[in-house]
Amino acid sequence: DAGVTQSPTHLIKTRGQQVTLRCSPKSGHDTVSWYQQALGQGPQFIFQYYEEEERQRGNFPDRFSGHQFPNYSSELNVNALLLGDSALYLCASSLYGTGRTEAFFGQGTRLTVV
Amino acid sequence: AQTVTQSQPEMSVQEAETVTLSCTYDTSENNYYLFWYKQPPSRQMILVIRQEAYKQQNATENRFSVNFQKAAKSFSLKISDSQLGDTAMYFCALLFSGGYNKLIFGAGTRLAVHP
Repeated sequence: DAGVTQSPTHLIKTRGQQVTLRCSPKSGHDTVSWYQQALGQGPQFIFQYYEEEERQRGNFPDRFSGHQFPNYSSELNVNALLLGDSALYLCASSLYGTGRTEAFFGQGTRLTVV
Repeated sequence: AQTVTQSQPEMSVQEAETVTLSCTYDTSENNYYLFWYKQPPSRQMILVIRQEAYKQQNATENRFSVNFQKAAKSFSLKISDSQLGDTAMYFCALLFSGGYNKLIFGAGTRLAVHP
């Protein structure tokens, strides 16, 4: 059973460009959450998708957007990249519902903006 | 606002000894969960242990146990018989019940286990 897979593992982009990161959830999971982890810090919640809709959003600008597909996989898009967007982006999958708390994480995508 | 604070940026311990990592949190909610996650150099977050706030009994998973003090809003992790493979970043995290699995993380504690 494959766990959460993210692609690519590393990415270098130029300031002002756009980037798309991808996530496939653990088999059987229906909810995908995205986190940004800056160097030396804990992950910060970006947003969560369930039933192809954004259900919750953290304190991130509209440059950060996402999508969930019918097969539950998800994309994170960041437009107009800033140097400060350089971070590890983590995807976590889980089951939607009260008490369903266990989240499985992927290995992340390391984004470097130059 | 809900916050999680880890006051120890770095800790070190000798192999086979015991170490305790500290975590405090702030919330006005009554129903929530607390977690310790481990992040080794491979970057993947791995769940170490989970505690339901409504349970008074402290959670235990093999060499890992917690000391959950709800009134003090404290949630420390004790690692017994430390092993070299325990070297990693450890994050304390808070989650509220209600369907949304939004985790609030602390800044982490870097643990080094020395032979």
